[in-house]
Amino acid sequence: DQQVKQNSPSLSVQEGRISILNCDYTNSMFDYFLWYKKYPAEGPTFLISISSIKDKNEDGRFTVFLNKSAKHLSLHIVPSQPGDSAVYFCAASGGAGGTSYGKLTFGQGTILTVHP
Amino acid sequence: NAGVTQTPKFQVLKTGQSMTLQCAQDMNHEYMSWYRQDPGMGLRLIHYSVGAGITDQGEVPNGYNVSRSTTEDFPLRLLSAAPSQTSVYFCASSTRLGNQPQHFGDGTRLSIL
Repeated sequence: DQQVKQNSPSLSVQEGRISILNCDYTNSMFDYFLWYKKYPAEGPTFLISISSIKDKNEDGRFTVFLNKSAKHLSLHIVPSQPGDSAVYFCAASGGAGGTSYGKLTFGQGTILTVHP
Repeated sequence: NAGVTQTPKFQVLKTGQSMTLQCAQDMNHEYMSWYRQDPGMGLRLIHYSVGAGITDQGEVPNGYNVSRSTTEDFPLRLLSAAPSQTSVYFCASSTRLGNQPQHFGDGTRLSIL
């Protein structure tokens, strides 16, 4: 049973437009959510996170929205740039106190392609 | 500023062979974890550690052993490799302070024939 799901395997957008990546989760004990970006032959790099006590977190061109009632989060990238082309993973942790921070549950990933 | 270092980057094994994937971090992080990435399945947690001498199982621990004798190192051992363990393996570390992201190494690509 996949507790974190990214239902769109890929997304293609034009440079300068908005990219919206979506993620759904089923475990109501998750209280911390993250987005990672991954280039080929490299490890995932942290992008942005949000705690369950918030519904929005912004960092430059990246904004993450959390809808707890729908168990849904999204990542908005505005404006999109060709260098943003990568695989994006959402991840979640929580439910076991402090030790949960060492344990992440990942979605399957979405391949974002930004065309010049 | 090395961060999380994984060795080797690539390895080919025969079924039944054993090997150890190395992971070292220089950030004095308490938490360390091993994940495997398979096509269409994201990253799945194999084992993790909350400090030296303490380890626990993740989602897919079968066929793997770990130990944590120092804060810096967290090796992953395959005792008898199987083709189903062909994957890309990532090591990660993070501080025990609340809500800090995990930092990942660049991975080990392992093929088992």
